[in-house]
This record gives sequence, structure tokens and C-alpha cells, in this order.
Amino acid sequence: KNEVEQSPQNLTAQEGEFITINCSYSVGISALHWLQQHPGGGIVSLFMLSSGKKKHGRLIATINIQEKHSSLHITASHPRDSAVYICAAPYNTDKLIFGTGTRLQVFP
Amino acid sequence: KAGVTQTPRYLIKTRGQQVTLSCSPISGHRSVSWYQQTPGQGLQFLFEYFSETQRNKGNFPGRFSGRQFSNSRSEMNVSTLELGDSALYLCASSPLMTANYGYTFGSGTRLTVV
Repeated sequence: KNEVEQSPQNLTAQEGEFITINCSYSVGISALHWLQQHPGGGIVSLFMLSSGKKKHGRLIATINIQEKHSSLHITASHPRDSAVYICAAPYNTDKLIFGTGTRLQVFP
Repeated sequence: KAGVTQTPRYLIKTRGQQVTLSCSPISGHRSVSWYQQTPGQGLQFLFEYFSETQRNKGNFPGRFSGRQFSNSRSEMNVSTLELGDSALYLCASSPLMTANYGYTFGSGTRLTVV
């Protein structure tokens, strides 16, 4: 069983839809990272959060430390949001363990 | 402010050769970590350096090694390349020696072993 699991693996949406990507982890952590990877490979760090909710533009990330669950929401999705979204949890505070990623495609 | 710079961006090597990849962190960042990404295994942690010391190593064979210089630039080396080493290699830098802090990733080096 992976220590960090994401769902769904693939997601297709129409422009304007509300998107939710889920991440569950089994390791004890104090923070969780959400990353975005576009075709070509470069990774952008979207959020690091340890409690509650963070918002940046149309992106919202929430975390429940007790339930070991985090969600990434995208409001009013746009084709440029098409990417792979990855959650990552620090293990022993030293290294990141990654989920398998959620491939999102948003069609106009 | 310059981001994390990885060189080269693309590399093609032959089985049995060795390769050295470079990562220049954001100025002032002292932690550099390396990751391998393959379609089958996803993103996996390779190793992390802080102030020229390797603090943590992932589950990779000894053919994978790295080092960090006094200016925080880091290199990773893979010897006796195998076809399965074909992957995107990413590095990330952080100002602190903890994964509970923000990371900035480079664009990666795509290595193809033929």
C-alpha cells in the first residue's frame, strides 16, 4: 500500500467545472505539499499546508491532519489548468513521498 | 530572483556510460534534493544534501551518487548506466533542512539511455 494515495488517477472536465482531487496519507506528517507538473516536466509547488485551508487564485487546498486527508480544488477550471497534480508528504521531515499523481484534462 | 537551474535539459547516453547532472539552487538555499521520475514508478526520492552533507538517501543502488559544493550547487552522478535509468531527474532547493518547508523545483534533466 502506498503511503500517499491520490484519487482519481485521471480526470476530464469541461471548462468552467469545479474540480476536486483527493490525497490520503498514512505517514504522520505536519505538512503536505501540492505540486503541479505540466507536459515537459517542470514542477511548480502550489501549496504547502499544515492545517485548514489555503487559497491562491482559483486554487484552494484543504487539509485535515486528524483524518490524514487533503483536497485540492480548482474553481472555474480552464484548459490551461490541464496538468498532472501531485501531492507529497514529508517522511521523517527529511524527504518527500509522492502520490502517483492525478492527470487533469480540461476541454474548452 | 533566479530559480533552480538544472543542466543539461536533455541527455542521451549509451548503456554502461556514466553521467553527471548539475543543479544550481536558488541563492541562499542550502538544501538540495534529487528525485527520479519514471512512468512506472512515478516520483521517487534519490537523496538530499544540506551544507555539503548528504542527510538522507532513497532506495537506489550505489551507482547513484551525489555531492554538494560549498556554494550549495549539487551534482548527481550515475555510473554504469542501464536502460531503466532513463527518466526525468528533478532537483529541488529549500532554505531549510526540513521537508516541512517550501520547495522550488527545477525544470529537470531528461536522460535517455540507449
